[in-house]
Amino acid sequence: TQLLEQSPQFLSIQEGENLTVYCNSSSVFSSLQWYRQEPGEGPVLLVTVVTGGEVKKLKRLTFQFGDARKDSSLHITAAQPGDTGLYLCAGADTGRRALTFGSGTRLQVQP
Amino acid sequence: SQTIHQWPATLVQPVGSPLSLECTVEGTSNPNLYWYRQAAGRGLQLLFYSVGIGQISSEVPQNLSASRPQDRQFILSSKKLLLSDSGFYLCAWSVLKGGGYTFGSGTRLTVV
Repeated sequence: TQLLEQSPQFLSIQEGENLTVYCNSSSVFSSLQWYRQEPGEGPVLLVTVVTGGEVKKLKRLTFQFGDARKDSSLHITAAQPGDTGLYLCAGADTGRRALTFGSGTRLQVQP
Repeated sequence: SQTIHQWPATLVQPVGSPLSLECTVEGTSNPNLYWYRQAAGRGLQLLFYSVGIGQISSEVPQNLSASRPQDRQFILSSKKLLLSDSGFYLCAWSVLKGGGYTFGSGTRLTVV
């Protein structure tokens, strides 16, 4: 069974601070995705990374896929209250039809 | 544009009652369809996925079932609900295997 572990589970920071969320596995994934979910809503796709070592930037968010394609990180610069939510990573591999989701990191940014 | 509809948004059902949650997709053909369940503020557990009409794969043995009577319709059912069935149920679709998912807005099910 493939597992994706995210850390930290919960993060509360002040507006303007930087943070990094990690997503780790012992399995190799063909691609990895990051989603953000707000309370009472479905997750929304932020980015997909495919190549080992790949770095993608989405405004203040920087996503990196590990060289071995087993881990990923999400870095947020100068966090804002609007970044508050549950961040989920999800891995895809050639042997499964569906994504495997991580346990989630709940981020709270205080104004 | 593609849209996904999921209903109802909230549901309170007694133990032992039946369940039917419906999900429909518009604006695409032959999507991969998925049902996930989410415990409070945590990750998503895959329940069922479907790559075509009548094709259902189950990930977790339980008292839930799924059906896909039409290309863009996915239904989650139960004959008798258990307390442990409470949770947030999410339907999603994708075009490609491993591609990004578009999720519905979810159904909050409380079994009492």
